Amino acid sequence: ETGVTQSPTHLIKTRGQQVTLRCSSQSGHNTVSWYQQALGQGPQFIFQYYREEENGRGNFPPRFSGLQFPNYSSELNVNALELDDSALYLCASSEGIGANVLTFGAGSRLTVL
Amino acid sequence: DAKTTQPNSMESNEEEPVHLPCNHSTISGTDYIHWYRQLPSQGPEYVIHGLTSNVNNRMASLAIAEDRKSSTLILHRATLRDAAVYYCILRDVAGNTGKLIFGQGTTLQVKP
Repeated sequence: ETGVTQSPTHLIKTRGQQVTLRCSSQSGHNTVSWYQQALGQGPQFIFQYYREEENGRGNFPPRFSGLQFPNYSSELNVNALELDDSALYLCASSEGIGANVLTFGAGSRLTVL
Repeated sequence: DAKTTQPNSMESNEEEPVHLPCNHSTISGTDYIHWYRQLPSQGPEYVIHGLTSNVNNRMASLAIAEDRKSSTLILHRATLRDAAVYYCILRDVAGNTGKLIFGQGTTLQVKP
């Protein structure tokens, strides 16, 4: 079975721009969560998607938004990029919203200049 | 959300057992104890989880104190590949979201 894949692996943007990050969930998984990991810190929960709807959100502003598609893949969109948005963005998939095990991808490294 | 406390770093020798401690004095009755680890340049990886009883799997063992205010992740024979940041996380089974609250974790160094 394939794991969680994320794209792109690295990207550089400038302040004020918008970015879209993509995630393909592991086969058989219908739930996707997104996390932001700043350098030297633990990952911080952004939000979770189940059945194409947001189900739970962390302490992130509305310029962080997402989508989930019928094939359970997902996108994270960030508008009006700020320097502090520079981080590793991690996607995790699971079998249902209350699943005990989350499978993470390797992440997308975003640098905002 | 209940929080956990872990040492910032630990060292181990290869092929020796490693005991990684975690304190969670404010744990509630519906909190599961989860462990994930993050190898360099990778996303976190599930290791093990438990509620009250000790748990074993192919990767590790989890020893949970009787009062559940602390737990220990045990790697029976550390290898160089086990060098990673280990996160102890409490997850409310009633919360029904994928929200994991990561702390700073313990950085494990394994010496050959």
